[in-house]
Amino acid sequence: DTAVSQTPKYLVTQMGNDKSIKCEQNLGHDTMYWYKQDSKKFLKIMFSYNNKELIINETVPNRFSPKSPDKAHLNLHINSLELGDSAVYFCASSQQGNRGEKLFFGSGTQLSVL
Amino acid sequence: SQQGEEDPQALSIQEGENATMNCSYKTSINNLQWYRQNSGRGLVHLILIRSNEREKHSGRLRVTLDTSKKSSSLLITASRAADTASYFCATATGFQKLVFGTGTRLLVSP
Repeated sequence: DTAVSQTPKYLVTQMGNDKSIKCEQNLGHDTMYWYKQDSKKFLKIMFSYNNKELIINETVPNRFSPKSPDKAHLNLHINSLELGDSAVYFCASSQQGNRGEKLFFGSGTQLSVL
Repeated sequence: SQQGEEDPQALSIQEGENATMNCSYKTSINNLQWYRQNSGRGLVHLILIRSNEREKHSGRLRVTLDTSKKSSSLLITASRAADTASYFCATATGFQKLVFGTGTRLLVSP
């Protein structure tokens, strides 16, 4: 009955590969997000979707493509992985997405690009 | 660029002591939130304070907000070993955008 679940928890892959991370929320929230946390623990927003519509795209390389098949799911596909993509990726959701509501986070996907 | 910066970067205290963390930010905000992150886990929301509020309490947590100084503080009273985690402030500056600070790593020793 995890509120925001993302898979896989760990992802180890070679440079140049393509990989996907999946996220699902069972909270009935309208808005979902992807955040990236680097090795210094700095957390930066990448994307947000509201009811399957892309709202925020924070200057993320085109190699990153989010997909929201419905409002309960937000997946992240990464093409041609680079060493600098190594980080922890967090999915999050919020009820409506307006005026800075609190976020509910998944437990993260640690991506290691070798 | 990041909005919030926390101080100190790391804090080590004994159980039973109080822990105070500070957050400074740069632009006007709608609200400010504090989150906790245990090692290897996602962030968990602790408390939200709106821009027109000055102080808020939740259990052993006390948050203050000074919009004139663009700063906030989180006080954890009577800390426990289980409070060991990283604590982040996050500022809401616009529609759907929450910007996180750099975090304070708190270590509470038994």
